[in-house]
Amino acid sequence: DTGVSQNPRHKITKRGQNVTFRCDPISEHNRLYWYRQTLGQGPEFLTYFQNEAQLEKSRLLSDRFSAERPKGSFSTLEIQRTEQGDSAMYLCASSTRDTFNYGYTFGSGTRLTVV
Amino acid sequence: RKEVEQDPGPFNVPEGATVAFNCTYSNSASQSFFWYRQDCRKEPKLLMSVYSSGNEDGRFTAQLNRASQYISLLIRDSKLSDSATYLCVVNLGGSYIPTFGRGTSLIVHP
Repeated sequence: DTGVSQNPRHKITKRGQNVTFRCDPISEHNRLYWYRQTLGQGPEFLTYFQNEAQLEKSRLLSDRFSAERPKGSFSTLEIQRTEQGDSAMYLCASSTRDTFNYGYTFGSGTRLTVV
Repeated sequence: RKEVEQDPGPFNVPEGATVAFNCTYSNSASQSFFWYRQDCRKEPKLLMSVYSSGNEDGRFTAQLNRASQYISLLIRDSKLSDSATYLCVVNLGGSYIPTFGRGTSLIVHP
């Protein structure tokens, strides 16, 4: 396990369809974060898990978005009834408690295009 | 006012130049600060954490000014390979959630 893994790398979907992304964090990391990034912007926070508990959700996360982390391992992010405005890079990051020394490790992201 | 603000640039500098970026943050109780580097269409990667007393890693120096609520990144002897976007990251008010600035673009040319 050398890093954070995200699947798929790319997803093209038609408006109105549902999509699901998966993130496999570094195995010893108990903290997991989802971000969304659009061109020219920094990553925007979506949601945070500590183990299996979803502790924080951004106001950006509408009712169409849901995330889970069953058993505190991998996580999924689902977007229902996709809209063109959902087109973005979805990034997952994980960390231990010692974020100061080790920071947050990101996956390569899932690039979503809604047509 | 944005919670974490950066000048988007781009900063266009010749090889060998020294360049500095600043980042301001809104919450005076913030505790953890980082600089991340992001290459085009890649994920962000940790460049360095920022210590209260400032810290150096090779050609890179990070400073924290709590009174004025900003952090800085200094790059000396710029290399072509330093061309990237540099993201300022702050755990605002001691939150577990890292908040990112929009990034500062650096272009180092021959």
